[in-house]
Amino acid sequence: GEDVEQSLFLSVREGDSSVINCTYTDSSSTYLYWYKQEPGAGLQLLTYIFSNMDMKQDQRLTVLLNKKDKHLSLRIADTQTGDSAIYFCAGISPTISGGYNKLIFGAGTRLAVHP
Amino acid sequence: SQTIHQWPATLVQPVGSPLSLECTVEGTSNPNLYWYRQAAGRGLQLLFYSVGIGQISSEVPQNLSASRPQDRQFILSSKKLLLSDSGFYLCAWRSDTQYFGPGTRLTVL
Repeated sequence: GEDVEQSLFLSVREGDSSVINCTYTDSSSTYLYWYKQEPGAGLQLLTYIFSNMDMKQDQRLTVLLNKKDKHLSLRIADTQTGDSAIYFCAGISPTISGGYNKLIFGAGTRLAVHP
Repeated sequence: SQTIHQWPATLVQPVGSPLSLECTVEGTSNPNLYWYRQAAGRGLQLLFYSVGIGQISSEVPQNLSASRPQDRQFILSSKKLLLSDSGFYLCAWRSDTQYFGPGTRLTVL
């Protein structure tokens, strides 16, 4: 089945770019997602990329997908203190019996932004 | 637009007491619904999913159960809570993307 891995911590200076990396095992995932979780809150969908795309940009966020290496990254430009949160990547598991598939989440990367 | 609600926001319960967490979705019909648990400092663990009323699938054996009495209502329950049930419980619904509720923080003492 699908397995998703992320580094656990990232610390950046305010104003710098942050790059959060994720690797996955199942190349059949049609979509790959990035979620943001602020302290004590639920998960907020940040962005997603369709598997036939290499890059997607949305304001300060850039998602890069390297299908050959099964590597997904989220770049946050001009990182602000409000970007401090846990970031989860997720992929879709292969369809199982009953036509159901589910999101498989990485463990999350904790981004700390310091002055 | 679709919104998802969870109730209560926080809960402190003694070991052995019952549990009922509620999740309701607005603005969509026949959604796929999910319960996740997030232990402190950990990732997400899928507990249950439901593709329709009365249809519940369990991902992992555990002390919890789920029910879906109405199309847009998903309930997580336990008859007797364990200390290990403490965590942050997230409800989610999904169409082409998955959206999460605000979560319920459960502390079992």
